[in-house]
Amino acid sequence: EAQVTQNPRYLITVTGKKLTVTCSQNMNHEYMSWYRQDPGLGLRQIYYSMNVEATDKGDVPEGYKVSRKEKRNFPLILESPSPNQTSLYFCASRVGPQGHYGYTFGSGTRLTVV
Amino acid sequence: GQQLNQSPQSMFIQEGEDVSMNCTSSSIFNTWLWYKQDPGEGPVLLIALYKAGELTSNGRLTAQFGITRKDSFLNISASIPSDVGIYFCAELKTSYDKVIFGPGTSLSVIP
Repeated sequence: EAQVTQNPRYLITVTGKKLTVTCSQNMNHEYMSWYRQDPGLGLRQIYYSMNVEATDKGDVPEGYKVSRKEKRNFPLILESPSPNQTSLYFCASRVGPQGHYGYTFGSGTRLTVV
Repeated sequence: GQQLNQSPQSMFIQEGEDVSMNCTSSSIFNTWLWYKQDPGEGPVLLIALYKAGELTSNGRLTAQFGITRKDSFLNISASIPSDVGIYFCAELKTSYDKVIFGPGTSLSVIP
């Protein structure tokens, strides 16, 4: 089944403890992206990647890192999480420049930072 | 900056009724996307529109790309309980790979 897989689905952590949310897609998509969703603020892009070893900042990149060492994986790293990073996170992928379709989203990771 | 507005913000309808929602932009769009988000899940693409005036259907869903390229509507016919969720309009900006989402329309269907 074609899909974007995120792990974990739920995570509670403490301030300052580094964490990684993994994301993998099996559709050979070139483009991948991370979004966060917050009440009243909607979906906002954190980082995106248009190719292996190529990443760019989205609208809200502060406090996050990403890497794209291989095509299928795009982990989101929080080096020192803070409570304001409590949110619902979505990884997404799409075909690439040859396609105009929108993203395929993962099922989300609900992160709570205490 | 570019702003997307969706109306209504929320809707409560009876099962079997038709639904209409729309999206407007402060700037011209090249691509309109309509997504649905079920509770606890990620958004799922429903319909993509690429040309002004384009009318596209997906089952009971119909969406149109406004001729001014600044608006779009989504209609759902004969609503059923599984239509419940949040519907987002969005634009795909291909130059730097961003999907800009509207604030969403929350749909509740009363059996």
